Amino acid sequence: DAKTTQPNSMESNEEEPVHLPCNHSTISGTDYIHWYRQLPSQGPEYVIHGLTSNVNNRMASLAIAEDRKSSTLILHRATLRDAAVYYCILSSSGNTPLVFGKGTRLSVIA
Amino acid sequence: NAGVTQTPKFRVLKTGQSMTLLCAQDMNHEYMYWYRQDPGMGLRLIHYSVGEGTTAKGEVPDGYNVSRLKKQNFLLGLESAAPSQTSVYFCASQGGRAGLAGGGYEQYFGPGTRLTVT
Repeated sequence: DAKTTQPNSMESNEEEPVHLPCNHSTISGTDYIHWYRQLPSQGPEYVIHGLTSNVNNRMASLAIAEDRKSSTLILHRATLRDAAVYYCILSSSGNTPLVFGKGTRLSVIA
Repeated sequence: NAGVTQTPKFRVLKTGQSMTLLCAQDMNHEYMYWYRQDPGMGLRLIHYSVGEGTTAKGEVPDGYNVSRLKKQNFLLGLESAAPSQTSVYFCASQGGRAGLAGGGYEQYFGPGTRLTVT
């Protein structure tokens, strides 16, 4: 399975943009890039996913490198509620379940 | 639309006791998953199902059994609980057509079951 690499932790000031990086140099052509986050004491929640093109939704934006070997999750204005562990995961179009790594713990400072 | 629900929310077991965790989803999803999460760790896949009547082993299946008799329910059983199974258990479901999995579909997670085995 293709693996992802994320920084263990990041810190951001409230109301500033946050760029969370993810490297996936062994990504295959059928792998989707998914981002989930887990707030304290809660189950993971879906944030965004994409295949090749950049994606935007109400929660975040996903910027995918042209060679697809890396991607960046962008939170446009961090709030205290965005403090969570963010997971970058590759998901193929076959019957392959998501594999969660340790993710990036994002701290937001007021 | 309740999404994914899990029963119970908390449970304390003695070593050797058995129990069943129930996961239910009302989104007509084909795929369902059971994960465990130990303190400070990421999620690890226990078992999963790609459709009614099917199950498959994940990363850490030992000590657990599962059944998917109805499409909307996925049961996780512990036959003889051990302290090493103390964890938070999350269930998830995912859309996508059976046999053509969900690379492009998001997973929806339940709120979790906190299990302590003494």
